[in-house]
Amino acid sequence: GAVVSQHPSRVICKSGTSVKIECRSLDFQATTMFWYRQFPKQSLMLMATSNEGSKATYEQGVEKDKFLINHASLTLSTLTVTSAHPEDSSFYICSARAHDTQYFGPGTRLTVL
Amino acid sequence: QKEVEQDPGPLSVPEGAIVSLNCTYSNSAFQYFMWYRQYSRKGPELLMYTYSSGNKEDGRFTAQVDKSSKYISLFIRDSQPSDSATYLCAMSLGVKAAGNKLTFGGGTRVLVKP
Repeated sequence: GAVVSQHPSRVICKSGTSVKIECRSLDFQATTMFWYRQFPKQSLMLMATSNEGSKATYEQGVEKDKFLINHASLTLSTLTVTSAHPEDSSFYICSARAHDTQYFGPGTRLTVL
Repeated sequence: QKEVEQDPGPLSVPEGAIVSLNCTYSNSAFQYFMWYRQYSRKGPELLMYTYSSGNKEDGRFTAQVDKSSKYISLFIRDSQPSDSATYLCAMSLGVKAAGNKLTFGGGTRVLVKP
């Protein structure tokens, strides 16, 4: 149980385009999902908390207009990186809250050329 | 000083040995403690999840929490090359307190040599 999927697993895009990443809880409902970013050989950095049916809460320093989060259902949250630039290239990971812990998706590697 | 400290390693052990990992933390309000395993270019996988102080065992894994010392440990018995990964400790205040945000250690890289 407690499986979280992400799609796509990797994406390459041109600078200036927007990219959408989906996060789904497959066998449970998640009122709260989280989006993280991870740089090579570093730990996870929380970007935002996504609550079903309400606006996401962004961590300090994360541009909400650049990283659009939508949590339209109890099993799906999406992260859209708008007008992506090379510095947005990273490993993006989502997680879904179940009880008092979080289950993570497999991650999406974004490369912006 | 970071809120959660974890030795980055790498920690190299021979196959079959016991792997001992630990984290220290400064916030005595943490209530829930987790260990995740992360393979390269993959998302973290939940290994152990404990509430408050005490021990928990699951197969080859044993997690210990000592809240009085603000110290948590993970032991992996009979280690296998497939256990080679980065191990992240994480902790939270709980759902009601902070929406279950996790505070992570920096991760320890473990290498189990055949």
